[in-house]
Amino acid sequence: GQNIDQPTEMTATEGAIVQINCTYQTSGFNGLFWYQQHAGEAPTFLSYNVLDGLEEKGRFSSFLSRSKGYSYLLLKELQMKDSASYLCAVRALSGGYQKVTFGTGTKLQVIP
Amino acid sequence: NAGVTQTPKFRILKIGQSMTLQCTQDMNHNYMYWYRQDPGMGLKLIYYSVGAGITDKGEVPNGYNVSRSTTEDFPLRLELAAPSQTSVYFCASSYGLRDRQGTSGSDTDYEQYFGPGTRLTVT
Repeated sequence: GQNIDQPTEMTATEGAIVQINCTYQTSGFNGLFWYQQHAGEAPTFLSYNVLDGLEEKGRFSSFLSRSKGYSYLLLKELQMKDSASYLCAVRALSGGYQKVTFGTGTKLQVIP
Repeated sequence: NAGVTQTPKFRILKIGQSMTLQCTQDMNHNYMYWYRQDPGMGLKLIYYSVGAGITDKGEVPNGYNVSRSTTEDFPLRLELAAPSQTSVYFCASSYGLRDRQGTSGSDTDYEQYFGPGTRLTVT
């Protein structure tokens, strides 16, 4: 099976930087996703890491260490609209097919 | 492209009633998924499909059934609704063939596209 852990809630100040961590335990690992979900809406894709290292996309960056089973999402220059839940999801191969398992999400509140 | 569409958007069921949640995608994705999300919680995988005619159970399949007769459609059936099935249901789709071939592509090849969700209340 898979085990994915993220902090439940975080608070950060507008304009600051926040790092949201995700640890996982799984066999057949084949990639890690980060999704953003605003309240009452569907998740939307932010990033995908399959190799170790940092992927940067504008204000958002995602890091992966496969050997440590660890990832983080880094949000820079926080804006009020960044208040949302951030879901870490692990993709693993099982029986030749991919399965994606989501963590419970980290609810980020950005305050003025 | 319309992407992933789900119907209905809202539904109230009485205990013991049955219903089908519809999901359609027009992106020619092989993989389709059904998730439920309880308030303040993450997404739990109910069932998934890797192509027409192929389905498999996820983490929480009890009380649900699925079928995949076409690439586009992946309906979710609730046979005897129970209060524990009150939740928001999301359907999603993605590519997946590259996984089996072991090649890598751009990250946008693997993202899941989600429908807007169906809010179901069972009373």
